[in-house]
Amino acid sequence: EIVLTQSPATLSLSPGERATLSCRASQSVSSYLAWYQQKPGQAPRLLIYDASNRATGIPARFSGSGSGTDFTLTISSLEPEDFAVYYCQQRLSWPPLTFGGGTKVEIK
Amino acid sequence: EVQLVESGGDLVQPGGSLRLSCAASGFTFSTYCMHWVRQAPGKGLEWISYISTSSTTIHYADSVKGRFTISRDNAKNSLYLQMNSLRDEDTAVYYCARAVAQGRGDFDLWGRGTLVTVSS
Repeated sequence: EIVLTQSPATLSLSPGERATLSCRASQSVSSYLAWYQQKPGQAPRLLIYDASNRATGIPARFSGSGSGTDFTLTISSLEPEDFAVYYCQQRLSWPPLTFGGGTKVEIK
Repeated sequence: EVQLVESGGDLVQPGGSLRLSCAASGFTFSTYCMHWVRQAPGKGLEWISYISTSSTTIHYADSVKGRFTISRDNAKNSLYLQMNSLRDEDTAVYYCARAVAQGRGDFDLWGRGTLVTVSS
């Protein structure tokens, strides 16, 4: 099973600041990595698939990069609606599909 | 509107059974592979099951294998999860999710979830 480790667990930032979230895999997942955003009481929403492709309707301030074992989700300038929990997820080797533990982006 | 709507969540005793449903609308359900993902209270996401378009390929997480059964009815645009021998640790919000593309293990559409509570 591929283990995904996200860091930091919590990121405290102000609106307008840049957010950089990390996801590290226990073994290579090539580019088969997705990022999801989840707000309280809501379902997750796909942001990025295959490491760097924005999903339909996702603003350009969200970008993904990386391959192999190290991945980054960047939010270039935080909007108030971006404060949420973010999960990475791999689909290279499954079952099982696996998620990281999440990074909470909170208002500083 | 393109959407998934789960139902069937309830309070059930340990050892009990429950059947969840997921109704799809706004897209051609029969052409999409589907998944179930769950989230325990205050915890992260856990994938639990996958079914291909024609139900020929099915996968389960080890945590539910032998206890849960995924199925679908393309004529009714519906996905199901039969859960037997429920345990306290099965308490979670259960989401159905649509695969991004045929055979893929990422999810581009999620339902709002249905809460299953296992407790005596």
